[in-house]
Amino acid sequence: QVQLVESGGGVVQPGRSLRLSCKTSGFDFSIYGMHWVRQAPGKGLEWVAYISYDAIYKDSADSVKGRFTISRDNPENTLYLQMNNLRTEDTAVYYCTKKGASVTTGGSIDSWGQGTLVTVSS
Amino acid sequence: DIVMTQSPDSLAVSLGERATINCKSSQRVLHSSNNKDYVAWYQQKPGQPPKLLIYWASTRESGVPNRFSGSGSGTDFTLTISSLQAEDVAVYYCHQYFSSPYTFGQGTKLEIK
Repeated sequence: QVQLVESGGGVVQPGRSLRLSCKTSGFDFSIYGMHWVRQAPGKGLEWVAYISYDAIYKDSADSVKGRFTISRDNPENTLYLQMNNLRTEDTAVYYCTKKGASVTTGGSIDSWGQGTLVTVSS
Repeated sequence: DIVMTQSPDSLAVSLGERATINCKSSQRVLHSSNNKDYVAWYQQKPGQPPKLLIYWASTRESGVPNRFSGSGSGTDFTLTISSLQAEDVAVYYCHQYFSSPYTFGQGTKLEIK
């Protein structure tokens, strides 16, 4: 079955950088788009970034544009999120998520990892 | 940006009764290529990631109990749980994946009365 395992979270000071990884298995990673979605403590869900299956198309939320970069390594079945110039408001659980195929789940986000907590604090 | 507004923010329903959660989008999310509304519903239990329940506004994901149903079109969408079970206690989110930024509703907390 689909497995998405995030890593790389931790406590970091404002202005510093962090790179999240998401190791995937159980599906053909190279043919699916992927998203990062985050959830601040006790809050709702916020979409962060998307990358197409071939990494040609990338998009991100205005709140992280210019600071966060999404990327992927298809031979390694791994998704990344490089986070620079972190702010206290970036504190959240970051979920690695898979975009489903249109014919199966309508292109919606159909699988989620357990998440990794990023805490930005001085 | 498309704003997704859920109502109510919280809801308490007796076991076996119907629960209804509404979601209103600030713009239409209908894709002309397939005439589908690009709205999904997710269930999130404490300490767990969200789980997909419904996509295309009304199509139930495989394995989801049939007491969960989605309906609506245009800008108004509804998630209905026909007969509430104890395991349905959770926060429910609607989500539009029609256009970037792919926004979520603020969530509705469902509890047992």
